[in-house]
Amino acid sequence: GEDVEQSLFLSVREGDSSVINCTYTDSSSTYLYWYKQEPGAGLQLLTYIFSNMDMKQDQRLTVLLNKKDKHLSLRIADTQTGDSAIYFCAESGGSQGNLIFGKGTKLSVKP
Amino acid sequence: DAGVTQSPTHLIKTRGQQVTLRCSPKSGHDTVSWYQQALGQGPQFIFQYYEEEERQRGNFPDRFSGHQFPNYSSELNVNALLLGDSALYLCASSWTGREQYFGPGTRLTVT
Repeated sequence: GEDVEQSLFLSVREGDSSVINCTYTDSSSTYLYWYKQEPGAGLQLLTYIFSNMDMKQDQRLTVLLNKKDKHLSLRIADTQTGDSAIYFCAESGGSQGNLIFGKGTKLSVKP
Repeated sequence: DAGVTQSPTHLIKTRGQQVTLRCSPKSGHDTVSWYQQALGQGPQFIFQYYEEEERQRGNFPDRFSGHQFPNYSSELNVNALLLGDSALYLCASSWTGREQYFGPGTRLTVT
């Protein structure tokens, strides 16, 4: 079945780079997404990548996709305390785009 | 431009009761999806509405039903509430189903 897995926690120092990893199982997924959730809030769409791309860069964010290994990563350059949040990886589970989420990675940024 | 809005923000209900949650999509969006997020988990897809019809449904019982209105706003109804229905209910809107933008959610507590 469809499944998305992420490590649960990541701790970095302010100014360092953060790399959050994700694996997915559905090879037919057209798009893969990264969302950010701050405490008590909804999900903020950070970026997404089309499945025929290897990399996408958007300001401090870099997404890498290894389709062969079904591995997705999100790199945040120059991580700030405001980046502390839970980051969710998601794959599009159908042609109409219902999203299948991982359990989220809690990023803690230490000053 | 207002983003996705949801009401109410918080709700407390008793087991066995019924609840209705509301969602207004982002301007220009015609598709609304509903997700349930239990504490410490990623969101789980409930169903998606497009052109006032349920287009896709996740693995949720018939107690969960919805509606989409001609102005694209949507309601989620849950009947015969169980303690396990306590969660954050998220609404997401999109135009093509590709970029889903989430609202702040409704926190439902069932006692």
